[in-house]
Amino acid sequence: QVQLQEWGPGLVKPSQTLSLTCTVSGGSIGSGGHYWSWIRQHPGKGPELIGYIYYSGTTYYNPSFKSRVTIAVDTSKNQLSLRLTSLTAADTALYYCARGLSYGSGSYYPDYWGQGILVTVSS
Amino acid sequence: DIQMTQSPSTLSASVGDRVTITCRASQSISRWLAWYQQKPGKAPKLLIYETSTLQSGVPSRFSGSGSGTEFTLTISRLQPDDFATYYCQHYKSPTFGQGTKVEIK
Repeated sequence: QVQLQEWGPGLVKPSQTLSLTCTVSGGSIGSGGHYWSWIRQHPGKGPELIGYIYYSGTTYYNPSFKSRVTIAVDTSKNQLSLRLTSLTAADTALYYCARGLSYGSGSYYPDYWGQGILVTVSS
Repeated sequence: DIQMTQSPSTLSASVGDRVTITCRASQSISRWLAWYQQKPGKAPKLLIYETSTLQSGVPSRFSGSGSGTEFTLTISRLQPDDFATYYCQHYKSPTFGQGTKVEIK
């Protein structure tokens, strides 16, 4: 069964850039068939898709983040990464990486999630 | 953008009860809907996709139905492990529903 594990800094200063990495085990990003995503969740709220990527490098980004986000894959390391710039306190949330399926641009549902990493934006 | 509205926001029920959660879309979304269960401190878990297809390993007491704009998640006989928050998700919306917390009555 596929497993995902996020890692990165738990505390980032306002205006700085967040960089997170997700290591995938039990499945290969490069084998295709699935899309790999970053999702965040504010306390007490529903999850929110940040964006997803296919092993080929094709990406979809939530328009709410489009100017600030970059998602990439490294198939040799079986990892995906998230880069989110110009952070504010509103970016404080639990960040998940996930595997999922897509039925066309902007159509996606995740089927396996990592356990999540709490990121706090504060000086 | 298509808006998804879940109801109720909180539901109090007892073990053995039949529980129904509703998700309404602001316009037709065909059958492109998934349901998730989330327990405190854990990641969401996929229960149902494409409105009514049970994810592998999910107990058969969970079922989904609907099409167009109205969808339901039903738990036929609530078990102690089912007390959690449930979210619907339209595949083409980047945000999930607001959630329904199922709590012990």
